Amino acid sequence: EIVLTQSPGTLSLSPGERATLSCRASQTVTSNFLAWYQQKPGQAPRLLIYDASSRATGIPDRFSGSGSGTDFTLTISRLDSEDFAVYYCQQYPGWTFGQGTKIEIK
Amino acid sequence: EVQLVESGGGLVQPGESLRLSCVASGFTFSRYWMSWVRQAPGKRLEWVANIKQDGSEKGYVDSVRGRLTISRDNAQNSLFLQMNSLRAEDTAIYYCAREDGSYIEYWGQGILVTVSS
Repeated sequence: EIVLTQSPGTLSLSPGERATLSCRASQTVTSNFLAWYQQKPGQAPRLLIYDASSRATGIPDRFSGSGSGTDFTLTISRLDSEDFAVYYCQQYPGWTFGQGTKIEIK
Repeated sequence: EVQLVESGGGLVQPGESLRLSCVASGFTFSRYWMSWVRQAPGKRLEWVANIKQDGSEKGYVDSVRGRLTISRDNAQNSLFLQMNSLRAEDTAIYYCAREDGSYIEYWGQGILVTVSS
């Protein structure tokens, strides 16, 4: 089973700042099948990025994904107030998730 | 508009059973693999089980194999999760989810299952 480890656990930033989130896999992720989700309290996850770098429908272009093999990154270029949430990475075909990174208001 | 609506959750005692249902609308249900994903309080998301379009293939996370059974009824656009021999560690919000290849684009709102004496 591929284990995904996200860092940092918590990111304290201000609106307008850049956020960089990391997701490291214990083994090479097949065909870079790595997705990123945003989750707010009391809500279901929302797909942001799939296949490591493809933005999902309706996702603003301030969100971008990069990486390959075992190291992946989600970047939010300029944080909006609605972006403060928990972010999870997920790999396929094992359908495992990382433990999450919380972006909180500084 | 794609919608996934779960029902059937609640409070049960350890060892008891529960059956979750999910009704899908807004897409051709029979064309998609479907999954159940859960999230224990304050924990990460955990994929639980999935089922092929025609029900001929099923997958489970090791911790639930033999106790939880996924099924579907394409005529009723419905997905099910039969949960037997429930344990405290099964306490979570359970999400019905549509697989879109290597990711999940559509999720239900989630249903809470609490296993406690």
